[in-house]
Amino acid sequence: SQTIHQWPATLVQPVGSPLSLECTVEGTSNPNLYWYRQAAGRGLQLLFYSVGIGQISSEVPQNLSASRPQDRQFILSSKKLLLSDSGFYLCAWLGRPGSNYGYTFGSGTRLTVV
Amino acid sequence: AQTVTQSQPEMSVQEAETVTLSCTYDTSESDYYLFWYKQPPSRQMILVIRQEAYKQQNATENRFSVNFQKAAKSFSLKISDSQLGDAAMYFCAKLIQGAQKLVFGQGTRLTINP
Repeated sequence: SQTIHQWPATLVQPVGSPLSLECTVEGTSNPNLYWYRQAAGRGLQLLFYSVGIGQISSEVPQNLSASRPQDRQFILSSKKLLLSDSGFYLCAWLGRPGSNYGYTFGSGTRLTVV
Repeated sequence: AQTVTQSQPEMSVQEAETVTLSCTYDTSESDYYLFWYKQPPSRQMILVIRQEAYKQQNATENRFSVNFQKAAKSFSLKISDSQLGDAAMYFCAKLIQGAQKLVFGQGTRLTINP
């Protein structure tokens, strides 16, 4: 079965520090992968998505970047965090059309920039 | 740009009663997927129900069903026999074909009164 792992679960970082959030998927190959951010009490905003190794599409220009060094690994990074980067970050993958078609989400990372 | 609108920021219902959450969307596509996701206090995103636009029959999953009105671009979620565990944020979402990006509404916070 397919599973998605996301870590860390919680992170408190000072302004100006770097960031690296990792997401890995098991049980599938060449998945579409996505990073979303959710501000408190708000909807989900798509940040980046990837359809393959080294292929990254950015939805919103900002202080973040993404990379996909391996087929089932998706990394969200920042060189210098801003206060506005605080939020809840979710990784997701899109399954194949069929009975289970849809996004499956990781458990999320709560990032607080102080 | 394709948008998803949830006009009810908050809803409440008595336990064991039925509640309907509203969702409308904008699209020029003829075939697409719609979803309802549940986000409990743990913030894990859980797929509740899926609807394929080319299917006229409304999707059902146990106590959850949808009223899909394609011409009106409406996709409401009905929860029957509400239970305390149904308390959560509910997000309506549409999958954009081609890019396969999921666009979310702003969510409806559902409270279940015992």
